[in-house]
Amino acid sequence: SYELTQPSSVSVSPGQTARITCSGDVLAKKYARWFQQKPGQAPTLVIYKDSERPSGIPERFSGSTLGTTVTLTISGAQVEDEADYYCYCTADNNQGVFGGGTTLTVL
Amino acid sequence: EVQLVESGGGVVQPGGSLRVSCAASGFTFTDYWMHWVRQVRGKGLEWVSRINSDGSGIHYADSVKGRFTISRDNAKNTLYLEMNSLRGEDTAVYFCARDRTTGPDLWGQGTLVTVSS
Repeated sequence: SYELTQPSSVSVSPGQTARITCSGDVLAKKYARWFQQKPGQAPTLVIYKDSERPSGIPERFSGSTLGTTVTLTISGAQVEDEADYYCYCTADNNQGVFGGGTTLTVL
Repeated sequence: EVQLVESGGGVVQPGGSLRVSCAASGFTFTDYWMHWVRQVRGKGLEWVSRINSDGSGIHYADSVKGRFTISRDNAKNTLYLEMNSLRGEDTAVYFCARDRTTGPDLWGQGTLVTVSS
C-alpha cells in the first residue's frame, strides 16, 4: 500500500510563514492536493494539482513540489488558518491516500 | 447552491449492515465521479471508495473491500454506500465528496455510523 507522511504539528506566530510537508514515493508521479479541516466541519480543498488554488481560497495559500515531497505554504498565516491539514493523492492502483494530517497552530 | 447531504447513519450491531446515502444538488451529478471518505472521531481522514460517473468503474480501500459496496442512482442524483459485516473499527463519520481532477473537491457534512452492541 501507499503512504503519505506529514508532521503531526506545526506552530507559527501570526504573520509568519507556515510550511507543511507531505512525503511519499507516489508523489513523484502523481498530483497531490491539500485539505483544510476545522473542528466539527467538513474538509475544504485549498490546493489541487500540487500548486493550483481553487477560487475563493486566499492567495496566501500556495503549493509546491520537489521529488517525492509536496509542501503547503501559508504566507502570513492568520489565526483563522488554525486547522488540521491533510494531503491526498490517487495512487497507481486507483486507491486514494491521505496523509496522517498536520495540526497548524497560529499563536 | 452546490451541496452534498449525507443521511442514513446510525447505530448498528457488529456483523450488521447499513446503507448511507448522499444527495447531490446544484451541479450536474452525472458529470462527476464520487468518493466516500471516513473519519474516526479525533483521527485522520481515510479514503474508502470511488465510483466513476456511470458506475462502471469502482475502487475500494483494502480495509473495506468485500464488505462495502458503492453505487449511484444518476436519475435520483444520489450516491450510496452499502456496508456489510460491520466491525467496531468501521465506527466513523462518513463523508461523500465530489471528484474533480483526480481527487475530492466538494464535501458533504458527513453522517455518523456507530458499530456497537
